Amino acid sequence: SQQGEEDPQALSIQEGENATMNCSYKTSINNLQWYRQNSGRGLVHLILIRSNEREKHSGRLRVTLDTSKKSSSLLITASRAADTASYFCATGLMDTGRRALTFGSGTRLQVQP
Amino acid sequence: DADVTQTPRNRITKTGKRIMLECSQTKGHDRMYWYRQDPGLGLRLIYYSFDVKDINKGEISDGYSVSRQAQAKFSLSLESAIPNQTALYFCATSGTGVGTQYFGPGTRLTVL
Repeated sequence: SQQGEEDPQALSIQEGENATMNCSYKTSINNLQWYRQNSGRGLVHLILIRSNEREKHSGRLRVTLDTSKKSSSLLITASRAADTASYFCATGLMDTGRRALTFGSGTRLQVQP
Repeated sequence: DADVTQTPRNRITKTGKRIMLECSQTKGHDRMYWYRQDPGLGLRLIYYSFDVKDINKGEISDGYSVSRQAQAKFSLSLESAIPNQTALYFCATSGTGVGTQYFGPGTRLTVL
């Protein structure tokens, strides 16, 4: 099964509302990252939070990390129609035998104008 | 110009054909990756390379091979394509093993 699992799988909100997506993972991590993918396009890095950080902000994005619960959340405030995309969490594992990120299956966000 | 480019962008081929997907990057990164994405799913790692002499299998390497021709170039080959290899393929680069990855625009491959 995936190291990172996003919840919900799909989310539909109105423009101006906040969107919250969650990610759970199984093993100890070095960092957790969030990426965005517009339909059929490459992923774009949004934010990276290290295992010793609890919260990070970037513009309208807020990411939290709870290593005791092995979970993270991505909050997009005051959403816009242009935020419509799929959002993926990716974990960088502590296990040096696996020196690559592991991606979850994503949350599809639809922001209605 | 894009930092990570992939060619071709779209390809339709037949079962049994050999296919090569190419990736080039101008970011100067040592680390390069190949992923596949199936509809509604996340990315699965096929192969990754930490330098020209360091090639590693990912979680789904069967049926694929790679070549790291130079620091900037990493190619993925399907020796004998089969229909369940129909997917969106992405190349990515990073400066560190678990750092930020930079993705190409993807290649949509259809195997008939």
